[in-house]
Amino acid sequence: GDSVTQMEGPVTLSEEACLTINCTYTATGYPSLFWYVQYPGEGLQLLLKATKADDKGSNKGFEATYRKETTSFHLEKGSVQVSDSAVYFCALSDQGGKLIFGQGTELSVKP
Amino acid sequence: KAGVTQTPRYLIKTRGQQVTLSCSPISGHRSVSWYQQTPGQGLQFLFEYFSETQRNKGNFPGRFSGRQFSNSRSEMNVSTLELGDSALYLCASSLGQKTEKLFFGSGTQLSVL
Repeated sequence: GDSVTQMEGPVTLSEEACLTINCTYTATGYPSLFWYVQYPGEGLQLLLKATKADDKGSNKGFEATYRKETTSFHLEKGSVQVSDSAVYFCALSDQGGKLIFGQGTELSVKP
Repeated sequence: KAGVTQTPRYLIKTRGQQVTLSCSPISGHRSVSWYQQTPGQGLQFLFEYFSETQRNKGNFPGRFSGRQFSNSRSEMNVSTLELGDSALYLCASSLGQKTEKLFFGSGTQLSVL
């Protein structure tokens, strides 16, 4: 079945450091890909999405590019802030239309 | 516009009991999905409802059930609770049948003792 694999956390960075969270997927067909973020005590929020190969999703300084050849959708940010501390989930929509999530990667940014 | 509202926020039950969780979607949203979130398993899809019909179901035992009402509000029920059912249960709503952009509630934290 379809699945999503994320790099394990926690990831700890200093403010203004570069961030990459790796995400790879296995899917039938060409799913849409997503990054969701969960701040402490809250539900998940959509951060960005890409619906076809080579699409780049971006929001709040975060970017991710849909790479069909490597079945990847890595999340990147050039300069993280303390307020970016959260858990990040990579996800795909399967052929039935439901979202399948990765395990989540906890990011902690220190001042 | 109010977000997705889940009640109660916290719940403590004992093994063998049953529990009902409630979810009110964003006004105008007709699709509601439920997820179980645990540290070990991450986010696991439970089921999805659209216009009062179950459209998708995850790999959970029959003790887990749900329904959706004509106003799109949804409930999920877990019977004969087990310790392993302790989790954060998240509800998400979306506008139509394509569940790609989900809006999540803050969840109900269920503890089974």
